[in-house]
Amino acid sequence: GEDVEQSLFLSVREGDSSVINCTYTDSSSTYLYWYKQEPGAGLQLLTYIFSNMDMKQDQRLTVLLNKKDKHLSLRIADTQTGDSAIYFCAEKIRNNNDMRFGAGTRLTVKP
Amino acid sequence: DGGITQSPKYLFRKEGQNVTLSCEQNLNHDAMYWYRQDPGQGLRLIYYSQIVNDFQKGDIAEGYSVSREKKESFPLTVTSAQKNPTAFYLCASSISEGENTIYFGEGSWLTVV
Repeated sequence: GEDVEQSLFLSVREGDSSVINCTYTDSSSTYLYWYKQEPGAGLQLLTYIFSNMDMKQDQRLTVLLNKKDKHLSLRIADTQTGDSAIYFCAEKIRNNNDMRFGAGTRLTVKP
Repeated sequence: DGGITQSPKYLFRKEGQNVTLSCEQNLNHDAMYWYRQDPGQGLRLIYYSQIVNDFQKGDIAEGYSVSREKKESFPLTVTSAQKNPTAFYLCASSISEGENTIYFGEGSWLTVV
């Protein structure tokens, strides 16, 4: 399909791990991104992964990329209440300056 | 500090009026973008510009206009032709080569009253 797809909601308990999944559209996408949006604010870049990588780790964040299935995931270890936000997956379209965004996954962290 | 500044943060408009949202960046980025975000939805591209004095329509350009007279500035005008303008508007910018990561401003809320 033409859409970047994400589940809309995820709820976890504080201290647990969160895994947010995304399916993207273009097998030739060069970069894939995760953005975080807090209420009423712009999008904050969390991390990105180049398409020739399978995994990228940055402190509590782990990004996994499965190119065969066009599947991207973001794992947040030891999730905190401050991680509650909307998380957007995005892909950079090859030969195009634009990016294609998913609808966002709203993560709720319960104490 | 380097970044993208959008103003105003909140704006109310009467039906039939045009309104212009400001976006300024001091990141020396060549490319700039305007996105619209509706509640519970992803981002939709309105217009983008890869270089000064040039811009292209995105997916939902109808009822909007832009200009790119300076590298640092990319104002968006929401015209009276836009039938459903109430939304959250996000300006963004990126370099033109490499990973092209798009960086966002803090957004502007437009409400039509």
